[in-house]
Amino acid sequence: KQEVTQIPAALSVPEGENLVLNCSFTDSAIYNLQWFRQDPGKGLTSLLLIQSSQREQTSGRLNASLDKSSGRSTLYIAASQPGDSATYLCAVRNGGSQGNLIFGKGTKLSVKP
Amino acid sequence: EPEVTQTPSHQVTQMGQEVILRCVPISNHLYFYWYRQILGQKVEFLVSFYNNEISEKSEIFDDQFSVERPDGSNFTLKIRSTKLEDSAMYFCASGQVDRGGYTFGSGTRLTVV
Repeated sequence: KQEVTQIPAALSVPEGENLVLNCSFTDSAIYNLQWFRQDPGKGLTSLLLIQSSQREQTSGRLNASLDKSSGRSTLYIAASQPGDSATYLCAVRNGGSQGNLIFGKGTKLSVKP
Repeated sequence: EPEVTQTPSHQVTQMGQEVILRCVPISNHLYFYWYRQILGQKVEFLVSFYNNEISEKSEIFDDQFSVERPDGSNFTLKIRSTKLEDSAMYFCASGQVDRGGYTFGSGTRLTVV
């Protein structure tokens, strides 16, 4: 059974710092991996999607990497800003195109001005 | 940018009552999903729907739950007899086969009293 773990559970950094959020999964036979942002009491905003054949994806200050064989993904946030404060969720999609997403519990990020 | 729309944003219901949560997926998407998030816990898969039928469901999705696509645009989740433990944020999502990524709605917060 696929399990997704995110470390750390919470992170507080000063504005401007570069940071890395970690995600690990137990079964490497994934279809893709998606990083989401969740603001308190709100929905899920997709940040980056990495297909199983890809190694990384970039969007602005965000870079996500995928090492499928070791069951790991990282989300790198450059030059963090207070507006980046949110919970970041990692989710993997097993099997074929209809496979459901399996989520980690998230990393709660706080960026201090 | 296309959005997944969910209504209502917040619903309070008495235990034992029936509720219907509504979603309008992105128009050219073929796959539809319901997920839920109990406060402080992981986002959990409930059900996926394709070609007018359920394609996959979790053990959470028991006989009190049902889904329907009544008119080709709406996608609904019905809970027949709500329990206190059904209190959660319910997310609708839709996706395309070829991209594999999901777009989530902003959620319906269901409170059962």
